[in-house]
Amino acid sequence: GQQVMQIPQYQHVQEGEDFTTYCNSSTTLSNIQWYKQRPGGHPVFLIQLVKSGEVKKQKRLTFQFGEAKKNSSLHITATQTTDVGTYFCAGGNFGNEKLTFGTGTRLTIIP
Amino acid sequence: DGGITQSPKYLFRKEGQNVTLSCEQNLNHDAMYWYRQDPGQGLRLIYYSQIVNDFQKGDIAEGYSVSREKKESFPLTVTSAQKNPTAFYLCASSPGLTYNEQFFGPGTRLTVL
Repeated sequence: GQQVMQIPQYQHVQEGEDFTTYCNSSTTLSNIQWYKQRPGGHPVFLIQLVKSGEVKKQKRLTFQFGEAKKNSSLHITATQTTDVGTYFCAGGNFGNEKLTFGTGTRLTIIP
Repeated sequence: DGGITQSPKYLFRKEGQNVTLSCEQNLNHDAMYWYRQDPGQGLRLIYYSQIVNDFQKGDIAEGYSVSREKKESFPLTVTSAQKNPTAFYLCASSPGLTYNEQFFGPGTRLTVL
């Protein structure tokens, strides 16, 4: 079945440094979504990418969808303490209505 | 306020007992989902429902059962057949299955003693 891997599993950064998490699928994806889960909370939707090579920005967050639609990345510029949490990607598969969630990257900020 | 509610937030049960987790949404969404979250393993899909009176197994359905008698409600029963039921359970809903963001409830943390 479809597998979605994320790296790194953990990332500790100084406040103000940049952060990137990578998502890789074993199969071509129809779309990819990104979610953020704060400590003790539930996942909250951030964005969806559908087109090959698509890039979207939300303030300090930049999301990319690979040309082959098998990988994606989330980059945060100049991290802040409010960025703390676990970031999940979730891939949609052609012909399969389910989303497959990645393993997540847990971001910790050192003030 | 529109949203998804799950109750209770924390649940303790003895081994061998069945337990039902509640999930209610007032977003008028057709699709609903149950996920299990364990440390370091992300979210794994247990069951999902595209429409009332219909549901499909996810990736880890063994030891679980669901019903979808009403659009607003999608309860999950963790049966005694589930070998390792202690986990954080998340319910979600979306307008439809594909290309739709999922809205998550606050979760229920189940501990089986």
